[in-house]
Amino acid sequence: DTGVSQDPRHKITKRGQNVTFRCDPISEHNRLYWYRQTLGQGPEFLTYFQNEAQLEKSRLLSDRFSAERPKGSFSTLEIQRTEQGDSAMYLCASSFGEGATEAFFGQGTRLTVV
Amino acid sequence: AQKVTQAQTEISVVEKEDVTLDCVYETRDTTYYLFWYKQPPSGELVFLIRRNSFDEQNEISGRYSWNFQKSTSSFNFTITASQVVDSAVYFCALSEPFTGFQKLVFGTGTRLLVSP
Repeated sequence: DTGVSQDPRHKITKRGQNVTFRCDPISEHNRLYWYRQTLGQGPEFLTYFQNEAQLEKSRLLSDRFSAERPKGSFSTLEIQRTEQGDSAMYLCASSFGEGATEAFFGQGTRLTVV
Repeated sequence: AQKVTQAQTEISVVEKEDVTLDCVYETRDTTYYLFWYKQPPSGELVFLIRRNSFDEQNEISGRYSWNFQKSTSSFNFTITASQVVDSAVYFCALSEPFTGFQKLVFGTGTRLLVSP
């Protein structure tokens, strides 16, 4: 399978715990994006990387959120001290090239904070 | 400000009916891109089309067609002869130059239910 891969697919955690999600983009895609989607809403942009550089972060990404993309390959999104409001689907996407290129999305990680 | 409005929350049709999903957008820029994505129950968003603001020609791809009208800031999507497999949530999205076209602003989506 050469699509965008996300792990885990589902995560249930207790409030206050830290969680980390992984995204493996399509190989050779230089751009990687994280979005968050809550029930009944469209995805909301969180952040994106061009290679290993994090170029933009949304105001939605509070201090408890951190994303990395070491060596410009896979990416991790960590949420510290999770809150119930963090419950959502976290989507990763990747694309190649410049400008408004087609983004390929993974199946997402569904986080439930109890 | 960037905004995408999909006023139709849910549409139900019977197989073989035609259906149009509406999308209205707001932007300050003259250069921008519009997208449609499909989200089946499995969760991943599937790219359907990208259109730049200078290309107002309508596009047809099989049973899918798109009507872009800058005068009304709309980018509507029509499925002809709908099929059960078309059941999904469909999102319209916008990207603008000040973000290098890297940030997609999505509408809230339209859930399409096609029954046999």
